[in-house]
Amino acid sequence: DVKVTQSSRYLVKRTGEKVFLECVQDMDHENMFWYRQDPGLGLRLIYFSYDVKMKEKGDIPEGYSVSREKKERFSLILESASTNQTSMYLCASSWGQGNRAYEQYFGPGTRLTVT
Amino acid sequence: GENVEQHPSTLSVQEGDSAVIKCTYSDSASNYFPWYKQELGKRPQLIIDIRSNVGEKKDQRIAVTLNKTAKHFSLHITETQPEDSAVYFCAASPWNTGNQFYFGTGTSLTVIP
Repeated sequence: DVKVTQSSRYLVKRTGEKVFLECVQDMDHENMFWYRQDPGLGLRLIYFSYDVKMKEKGDIPEGYSVSREKKERFSLILESASTNQTSMYLCASSWGQGNRAYEQYFGPGTRLTVT
Repeated sequence: GENVEQHPSTLSVQEGDSAVIKCTYSDSASNYFPWYKQELGKRPQLIIDIRSNVGEKKDQRIAVTLNKTAKHFSLHITETQPEDSAVYFCAASPWNTGNQFYFGTGTSLTVIP
């Protein structure tokens, strides 16, 4: 059974703080993704990674960075949190074999509030 | 890049009726189309998916149809039950984007007992 976990369910940070969100998967998936979910906007991709130390920008990377030092762990970093980054953050992972897409498995989400 | 539009944004049906959610996509390179269900306070979970070499796929009360020519695909839920109440997301994945998914904005389905 695939398991994707996120470090926190709820997080409250102040404007300007550096914030780390961590995601761990236990299925040896090559691909990992970070999304933010806002009402009426669906899931928007921030960054993804298809291999250790590799990263690609998604649709809304501004204000975020990522780190993937180990295959099972993918971190999202908010260098200087702002109130417009208040959102639900979802991590996902999937197998990766060339250009064939596979199901993405999601973590439980982290609801981040920036005050 | 790919653009996925999803309609309607909200849908209410009587228990036992059918529900249909429609999505359109723009990139002809998209060849994988998953549908996710997200119950309140829970993570999105895949309920059905379809690849571009197939026109229709069924799994019990759920079916998905794909029209590649028109670039649209639909989710059909028959004999709806209260536990079908959730937000549903469609997505499209172009083969040349490294397994990226482009999601629609979601449909909030309410099944009225």
